[in-house]
Amino acid sequence: AQSVTQLGSHVSVSEGALVLLRCNYSSSVPPYLFWYVQYPNQGLQLLLKYTSAATLVKGINGFEAEFKKSETSFHLTKPSAHMSDAAEYFCAVSDQTGGFKTIFGAGTRLFVKA
Amino acid sequence: EAGVTQFPSHSVIEKGQTVTLRCDPISGHDNLYWYRRVMGKEIKFLLHFVKESKQDESGMPNNRFLAERTGGTYSTLKVQPAELEDSGVYFCASSQVPGVTNEKLFFGSGTQLSVL
Repeated sequence: AQSVTQLGSHVSVSEGALVLLRCNYSSSVPPYLFWYVQYPNQGLQLLLKYTSAATLVKGINGFEAEFKKSETSFHLTKPSAHMSDAAEYFCAVSDQTGGFKTIFGAGTRLFVKA
Repeated sequence: EAGVTQFPSHSVIEKGQTVTLRCDPISGHDNLYWYRRVMGKEIKFLLHFVKESKQDESGMPNNRFLAERTGGTYSTLKVQPAELEDSGVYFCASSQVPGVTNEKLFFGSGTQLSVL
């Protein structure tokens, strides 16, 4: 069965610092992996997705994630945090064994300090 | 283009009452999903419609939950009778193409359900 583990329910960084949000997945077949972001009072929005093309995936707002099969990881990074990045971030996985549903992690809330 | 719309945004009810949540997906989207997030935990899958048919309802907690999508447009999720543990945020999401596992989901803002 698919599953996603996000390490750290809260992450705090200073403005301009590196953002690193960790995600590990479990899947018995090659997975599709996603990062979604939720801003206050809004629905989740797709940041980026991995679909077995390039292992380094670039998304919106300067975020990127690297698929590492050997580590079953898909960590999200951004070189320089901006105040507007403060939000909750969700890692997600889907694959053919899970039908056509996407499985989400518990989320990581990112705080950005001035 | 209108996004996914959910109504109401908040609902406070007493244990034993009935509540109906509504989701209007993006026009033309055949896939409609319901998810629930309880107390800051993971967003858990409830069920998946393709048009008006239930494709997968493996995540529905119990028979107090009933989801419908008559006509393949909007969907309702009814909880009857509601219990304290049903509290949480209920999200609806839609996507366009059935049978695709890597498709982007479009989410509504959710319904915050509080059962007292």
